[in-house]
Amino acid sequence: DQQVKQNSPSLSVQEGRISILNCDYTNSMFDYFLWYKKYPAEGPTFLISISSIKDKNEDGRFTVFLNKSAKHLSLHIVPSQPGDSAVYFCAASGYGGATNKLIFGTGTLLAVQP
Amino acid sequence: DGGITQSPKYLFRKEGQNVTLSCEQNLNHDAMYWYRQDPGQGLRLIYYSQIVNDFQKGDIAEGYSVSREKKESFPLTVTSAQKNPTAFYLCASRDAGSYTFGSGTRLTVV
Repeated sequence: DQQVKQNSPSLSVQEGRISILNCDYTNSMFDYFLWYKKYPAEGPTFLISISSIKDKNEDGRFTVFLNKSAKHLSLHIVPSQPGDSAVYFCAASGYGGATNKLIFGTGTLLAVQP
Repeated sequence: DGGITQSPKYLFRKEGQNVTLSCEQNLNHDAMYWYRQDPGQGLRLIYYSQIVNDFQKGDIAEGYSVSREKKESFPLTVTSAQKNPTAFYLCASRDAGSYTFGSGTRLTVV
């Protein structure tokens, strides 16, 4: 049972436009969400996070929105750049849990076209 | 610079052999994790350790073993019991809500 879902396996966007990557989750106990960026044959690098007490967090070109009622979060990249081309993973964690382990989505491959 | 070091970057294993993947961190993090990535799938948790001398099975622990004798080190052994070991393996450590990942090891069974 996939608790964190990224339903779009890939996304193609023109340079300078907005990229919107979506993520849905099923477990209402999740209270901390993260986005990671991953290039081939490398480990994921942390991008941005959001706590469940917020509905928006912004860091430069990256903004994450959280809609708790819909159990949905999205990552906005504006403006998109060719260097943003990578696989983006959404991940969720529950501080209340004994493990605080991350549950990852399946990833979305973003291709930013020059 | 603090970080996580995984070695080797590429590893080839013959069927029936055990292999050990190294993960070392100098971040002074208590918790460490091993994930596996397969094409078209998210990262799946193999094992994790919250503290030295303690570890727990993740979602796909069968065919794997770990040890946590030192805070800095969390090696993963892929045993011959793992039927489909070819994958990209990632080690991570955590401090509060912040996770740091290593650069991964690509294991191929030949």
